[in-house]
Amino acid sequence: SQKIEQNSEALNIQEGKTATLTCNYTNYSPAYLQWYRQDPGRGPVFLLLIRENEKEKRKERLKVTFDTTLKQSLFHITASQPADSATYLCALATAVGTYKYIFGTGTRLKVLA
Amino acid sequence: KAGVTQTPRYLIKTRGQQVTLSCSPISGHRSVSWYQQTPGQGLQFLFEYFSETQRNKGNFPGRFSGRQFSNSRSEMNVSTLELGDSALYLCASSLETSGSSGYPEYFGPGTRLLVL
Repeated sequence: SQKIEQNSEALNIQEGKTATLTCNYTNYSPAYLQWYRQDPGRGPVFLLLIRENEKEKRKERLKVTFDTTLKQSLFHITASQPADSATYLCALATAVGTYKYIFGTGTRLKVLA
Repeated sequence: KAGVTQTPRYLIKTRGQQVTLSCSPISGHRSVSWYQQTPGQGLQFLFEYFSETQRNKGNFPGRFSGRQFSNSRSEMNVSTLELGDSALYLCASSLETSGSSGYPEYFGPGTRLLVL
């Protein structure tokens, strides 16, 4: 079946460290993949988009990699801060049949002061 | 610029009733997509509208429907509500559809629906 997997367990890290979140997908060949941040009770906020021909994308303290061979994307937050604590979602658009946006279930990150 | 707005923010209904939710996208955005978010299933795609036409649809029953108006505002309707329809309903807007490299760029705050 087609799905996106993110680590469902919460990730706790110490302030200042680098947080690395994983997104694995099966049976898709997405042209691009997105990462979002979601705080409790609020809508997701778009962070980064990476295309299949891009290996890496950076924005301030954020870095995303995209390995189409492994069917995996990694999301890094360097010098993490307590304010980075949130749930992070990866998503892609698939054109199997008709286009659909597919979201992972998200990984909850907690940065400890 | 103003963000995506959704109304109402909270709603309580009983089984069997119907509900209509509204979404106003970012000015200039013609694509609106809708999602259902529950703790068990996560964020699931309902449908996407562009220029008043439904372009894509997720795997939800026909009780879930939507439409888009000429000003790009969109509504979604759920008829014959079931307990399992209790969820946070989110809409997102973007310039282009998924078929044109679009993606849900700006999300609204959501409408929290509780079905009793």
